[in-house]
Amino acid sequence: EAGVTQFPSHSVIEKGQTVTLRCDPISGHDNLYWYRRVMGKEIKFLLHFVKESKQDESGMPNNRFLAERTGGTYSTLKVQPAELEDSGVYFCASSQGVGGQGTDTQYFGPGTRLTVL
Amino acid sequence: AQSVSQHNHHVILSEAASLELGCNYSYGGTVNLFWYVQYPGQHLQLLLKYFSGDPLVKGIKGFEAEFIKSKFSFNLRKPSVQWSDTAEYFCAVTLYSSASKIIFGSGTRLSIRP
Repeated sequence: EAGVTQFPSHSVIEKGQTVTLRCDPISGHDNLYWYRRVMGKEIKFLLHFVKESKQDESGMPNNRFLAERTGGTYSTLKVQPAELEDSGVYFCASSQGVGGQGTDTQYFGPGTRLTVL
Repeated sequence: AQSVSQHNHHVILSEAASLELGCNYSYGGTVNLFWYVQYPGQHLQLLLKYFSGDPLVKGIKGFEAEFIKSKFSFNLRKPSVQWSDTAEYFCAVTLYSSASKIIFGSGTRLSIRP
């Protein structure tokens, strides 16, 4: 079974440009999550999809970030325009959604390393 | 706000040494507790988890963790480390009341000298 995949693995852009990150969850997983790790700090939750609906987007830093999951399969995270502080590793995770009260195991992708110059 | 604290940023040990990585969380309600590991060049993967029951939890590769509710702690242990345990270790929680998001600690980088 294929795991969570993310594309690209690494992106280098200049401040003010736009970048779109993609995540393909494990097949059949309705839940999809985005997290971000800024250099040396903790991995922070950004948002959670259940199928195509945003269940929780409390971690999105500002309106320069737009996440979509059309059709409930893959998801994209667009940063427009990118700022220096957006640099970091963006992780995607997916889960089946069979556990309740936070017991559902999330499976992580390899991450996309974003560098904004 | 809820948070997870990992006491050590970088730990260096020799092979066969014993390991204990500290983790404390700040949340008064019911939590689920996890340790994740990221080996060099690999994905984050689940090492072990605690939801309820026996507070001593055994995970993969000989790791275990003990939940001490009175201390809000979930320390990770391994009696004898190997060079292949070199990785970054993350303590994490999910809240019983908020099923979705994982709250991570800042991570502990473990380096094992062969």
